[in-house]
Amino acid sequence: RKEVEQDPGPFNVPEGATVAFNCTYSNSASQSFFWYRQDCRKEPKLLMSVYSSGNEDGRFTAQLNRASQYISLLIRDSKLSDSATYLCVVGGGGNKLTFGTGTQLKVEL
Amino acid sequence: SQTIHQWPATLVQPVGSPLSLECTVEGTSNPNLYWYRQAAGRGLQLLFYSVGIGQISSEVPQNLSASRPQDRQFILSSKKLLLSDSGFYLCAWAGGGYGYTFGSGTRLTVV
Repeated sequence: RKEVEQDPGPFNVPEGATVAFNCTYSNSASQSFFWYRQDCRKEPKLLMSVYSSGNEDGRFTAQLNRASQYISLLIRDSKLSDSATYLCVVGGGGNKLTFGTGTQLKVEL
Repeated sequence: SQTIHQWPATLVQPVGSPLSLECTVEGTSNPNLYWYRQAAGRGLQLLFYSVGIGQISSEVPQNLSASRPQDRQFILSSKKLLLSDSGFYLCAWAGGGYGYTFGSGTRLTVV
């Protein structure tokens, strides 16, 4: 079983749609959780951290369910500029992060 | 503010040639530094990490090595490149529990 699993997509959605990505992780001792965004042929960039209480940043909402070892990202009112690959990232101890293979999102007119 | 520099941006090297990729960080001291590789269509694989000068941990057996000669310098090397070494190489540093900040990456093609 992979340490961090994501649906690779692609998710093709129209502008304005709401889209949700899911991620599961295998290590129950994981301590930190993030969503990264990676544009084509670019480096990944931190989108948001994920907290147990859930957190929101504008159109983006992240949720963490530690009991189910499940992380989600919800994007509301999708924009063309949201098209990218979204990486689920989980951290154990010692500042080491494990990256999922990413979910590709394509927002279309 | 902290910045991370990585070069070159692209590199085409013949099989059997040596490799040296450099990463430097500014605006922080004693950072944890990481080398990742992303093969085409695949996820990021951690290659090496370093918590200080001269301290290198290898995550996977491979044809590559890493060194940290200075606090804010991290170097990825190979004596003889293989075709399978092709990929997108990313340097990253970890700061304060807020995930990683990545350099802009080096796209290596071994021919």
